[in-house]
Parts: sequence; C-alpha cells; structure tokens
Amino acid sequence: ILNVEQSPQSLHVQEGDSTNFTCSFPSSNFYALHWYRWETAKSPEALFVMTLNGDEKKKGRISATLNTKEGYSYLYIKGSQPEDSATYLCACPYSGGGADGLTFGKGTHLIIQP
Amino acid sequence: DAEITQSPRHKITETGRQVTLACHQTWNHNNMFWYRQDLGHGLRLIHYSYGVQDTNKGEVSDGYSVSRSNTEDLPLTLESAASSQTSVYFCASSPTPGTSGKGSYNEQFFGPGTRLTVL
Repeated sequence: ILNVEQSPQSLHVQEGDSTNFTCSFPSSNFYALHWYRWETAKSPEALFVMTLNGDEKKKGRISATLNTKEGYSYLYIKGSQPEDSATYLCACPYSGGGADGLTFGKGTHLIIQP
Repeated sequence: DAEITQSPRHKITETGRQVTLACHQTWNHNNMFWYRQDLGHGLRLIHYSYGVQDTNKGEVSDGYSVSRSNTEDLPLTLESAASSQTSVYFCASSPTPGTSGKGSYNEQFFGPGTRLTVL
C-alpha cells in the first residue's frame, strides 16, 4: 500500500496571510500526484493533477509544485480568504499508474480566521 | 449537464443484511471508483473499474463487491453488513486514459456521498 503523508494535519491562518502545506509520497515508480479541495458537507473537487518533476500549476491564488525525485509536493495559497477554508487532500495512484484509483493522504484541514 | 449521483444519500441497516449503494454517472467515463471515508483514515479505495465487465480490488475490499454491466453504473454491495462498515461512501469517475495510457493523469469527479449506518 502506497504511503502518502500530509503535514500539517490542521492549520489556522489569518485572513490575508499566505500559507503552504506539504504532501510526501514514494519517489519510486511515480506516475501522478493529485490535489483535491474538500469543503465541509460537499464532495472533493480536483485542483491539480501533476506529473512532471519541477512542474508548477496555478489556479487563481492557489498554486502547487512537484518534486518527484525527493517525493514531495507543496500547495500554496496566497492571500487566504474565508472561502479557502477546507480540507486539502493529495493522492497518488493506488497501484502505480493506469486508470487506478487513488491512495489519499489524510489531508490538511485549513481554517481561515477573519 | 453531466453529473454523478449516488443513492440513497442516507441509509440505516442492521448487521448481517445485504446492502447495495448505487452510483450513476452521465459523463460516459470508463473509469469508476468507490471510496470510504472514516475519521483518522481519510479516503480509502474499495473497488474500481476500468470499463464494462471489469472490476478490481482496492485497499479495503473485504466484505464488498461491485459489478459493472454498463458504462454509467457501478453499484457497491455489502454482502453482510457489519458495524465496521459504518462510514461515508463516495463514488467517483474519471475519463478514459489518453494516448499516454496513463489514466491516473486524469482528475476524478466525486459524487455527493452516501452515509451508511450499520446497527
């Protein structure tokens, strides 16, 4: 079973501040790294799917970087807003590729304080 | 609009009963997945399917089965419900792999979830 770890488990950030958190995954047999945003009482929604070492993706104030050689990805949120409050999940393919289901980390629970 | 739906949204059942949770998507995605969400564990993969007549076991497949008779549906069956199967269940789908053959490159679209309580 793939070991995908996220830190910190939870994070309180003042509105307007920028923040970042980490996803660690096995660097061997890497295929893809997914980031999802999960708001309370809703379903997870995809933010990014990253595949190339050194890749950086951006969606509005949220961006992510990927280091496949050392097995980590960072998610950054610039100028946090209350609507950014959610759990952020990262995931890798369960058995290493194809159309496999995902192995998820336990998430980083982000709370933006006004 | 295309969507993915789950039914029922909430269900209470008794230990030992057979339970089936429905998942239906209208995107014509070949790949479908079932996950369960538990406190302290996050989302864990139960079963997945690459297409009609194809099913595969995930991380926590014991006590569960799926069947894929058409593209749109992947029902999840609990053969004999146990209290340990009390959980929130999410269905997801993703597009067919592109020319790279790497379907894991594609984002997954999640249904609204089914909360199952086994008494």
